[in-house]
Amino acid sequence: GAGVSQSPSNKVTEKGKDVELRCDPISGHTALYWYRQRLGQGLEFLIYFQGNSAPDKSGLPSDRFSAERTGESVSTLTIQRTQQEDSAVYLCASSPIFHEQYFGPGTRLTVT
Amino acid sequence: GENVEQHPSTLSVQEGDSAVIKCTYSDSASNYFPWYKQELGKRPQLIIDIRSNVGEKKDQRIAVTLNKTAKHFSLHITETQPEDSAVYFCAATLRAGDGLTFGKGTHLIIQP
Repeated sequence: GAGVSQSPSNKVTEKGKDVELRCDPISGHTALYWYRQRLGQGLEFLIYFQGNSAPDKSGLPSDRFSAERTGESVSTLTIQRTQQEDSAVYLCASSPIFHEQYFGPGTRLTVT
Repeated sequence: GENVEQHPSTLSVQEGDSAVIKCTYSDSASNYFPWYKQELGKRPQLIIDIRSNVGEKKDQRIAVTLNKTAKHFSLHITETQPEDSAVYFCAATLRAGDGLTFGKGTHLIIQP
């Protein structure tokens, strides 16, 4: 079946611009996660959505980051006033049951 | 919060030999430990996982062992093949809402 999909695959933006990243989870997966992976580094957890529960935003790096999810479908991660340190690959994962997470291909964000 | 240390950062082995990657975690309450394989420019892929009620799990040439007392777990790959070359990440978590805490990764190189 279809895996997790993300768009765009690549995004180049100028410092100070806003960007919106999209994640389409696997159908039926109730949980959705966002992670950030800096070049040559491990993955850093950002935020988690489960059903209609309000997400815990404490993992977001700054108040320039926000995320939304409508029900158990698409999620968007928005970064306002982008900075060069925001350059990274942003990965989304979805999960059918407790813990097993399946990742999308990521969005490579470059802030110039 | 949880902290995961992973060693070595780079591991080079001869084709056909075994490879072992080790991780330690800090939160004794963590109960789920997955391993991901990430090829260059690709998404992380779940290759094996273990829960805290199990000491060892095998799947063909790969196995994971968990020592809860020492708070460490290891990935074992036997009869290594060129396609095993990739970056491997370990991770740990207690609750779905905490996301996964990842190690910094091990670059496994299989020498022909």
